[in-house]
Amino acid sequence: DAGITQSPRHKVTETGTPVTLRCHQTENHRYMYWYRQDPGHGLRLIHYSYGVKDTDKGEVSDGYSVSRSKTEDFLLTLESATSSQTSVYFCAISETRTSGRAYEQYFGPGTRLTVT
Amino acid sequence: GDSVTQMEGPVTLSEEAFLTINCTYTATGYPSLFWYVQYPGEGLQLLLKATKADDKGSNKGFEATYRKETTSFHLEKGSVQVSDSAVYFCARSGTYKYIFGTGTRLKVLA
Repeated sequence: DAGITQSPRHKVTETGTPVTLRCHQTENHRYMYWYRQDPGHGLRLIHYSYGVKDTDKGEVSDGYSVSRSKTEDFLLTLESATSSQTSVYFCAISETRTSGRAYEQYFGPGTRLTVT
Repeated sequence: GDSVTQMEGPVTLSEEAFLTINCTYTATGYPSLFWYVQYPGEGLQLLLKATKADDKGSNKGFEATYRKETTSFHLEKGSVQVSDSAVYFCARSGTYKYIFGTGTRLKVLA
């Protein structure tokens, strides 16, 4: 199994509070991703990173920010949590060959976040 | 934009039945194609992959063939088991990103 951990695994927080989720990898992969998974929506990309300090937005980035100061860590921050951000959050990593053909992604175990 | 469409679930089968889950993708560029499986309470696990046209990915009795002419990557298994009950996701690669289908829930009855 790929070495990906997420912390915390479960969190309950109140509306308006800041929340930071952490993704840590031991694979030295270049690309890291944050997704949210909601019933009926499958996986939706929030943000991704293609290198240290290089990040970009996904399809549902409003209300979220990310940071990547080291290859192994990718942080997702909800500046002011809302009930609509109650979800399961998954981190993923991948590597890409120099030819551009994509490798598979490996996923972390997920963080279940509840905003009350 | 790029997209992946997979059949709606849930799919309910009896043990030892034949499984097909349909998946089609948009054909821009030269994507790699993937099937992932998710068991309850867990993250997604790679089931199989194919990186170019006519490639066949296979794993644990599951197979899928990269069909460029029909832009399809259908998942098949000849004889399902109760332990195959899970949600299955089809995905294609993009430039930096991956596009997922909405998932198909499979339930196998003993």
